[in-house]
Amino acid sequence: EAGVTQFPSHSVIEKGQTVTLRCDPISGHDNLYWYRRVMGKEIKFLLHFVKESKQDESGMPNNRFLAERTGGTYSTLKVQPAELEDSGVYFCASSQGAGTGELFFGEGSRLTVL
Amino acid sequence: GNSVTQMEGPVTLSEEAFLTINCTYTATGYPSLFWYVQYPGEGLQLLLKATKADDKGSNKGFEATYRKETTSFHLEKGSVQVSDSAVYFCALAGANTGNQFYFGTGTSLTVIP
Repeated sequence: EAGVTQFPSHSVIEKGQTVTLRCDPISGHDNLYWYRRVMGKEIKFLLHFVKESKQDESGMPNNRFLAERTGGTYSTLKVQPAELEDSGVYFCASSQGAGTGELFFGEGSRLTVL
Repeated sequence: GNSVTQMEGPVTLSEEAFLTINCTYTATGYPSLFWYVQYPGEGLQLLLKATKADDKGSNKGFEATYRKETTSFHLEKGSVQVSDSAVYFCALAGANTGNQFYFGTGTSLTVIP
């Protein structure tokens, strides 16, 4: 069974450009989460989808970030326009239930904004 | 609010040394506590968890006990191996966190032969 996959693994863009990160969760997992780790800091929650609906987006930093999960399968996280402070590693995770069971993480997408 | 504080790294140990990575937490209610591990080039994986006070989680020789009185969940291993080199994250989650996971900053461990 395939795990959580994320693309791209690393993206380098200039300030003001747009980047779209993609996450494919484990098949059958209704719950999908985005997290971010800025250099040396803790991993912080961004948002949570249940199927195609946003259950909680309280962690989204600002309106430059847009997450979608059309059809309840894969998800995209777009940053437009990117700023220097957006640099970090963006992790996607999925789970079957929304409780405190195990989260299955992807390898992360490293974003560098120059 | 909810937060996790773990000891800063990096930590470098010789093979077969004893490992402790400290983790303390602040939370409303009684969350579940977790240790996740990220090996080089891989995603985070659940290492162990404990769901209530005095529970001990264990896996791959690692252990951590949920201590409500000291709000701690320290990770220990009696004899580390080179293959244990990774970044370790302490985390909490529960009904009072809206089922969000709160992570610590991560502790990088390098084990040298």
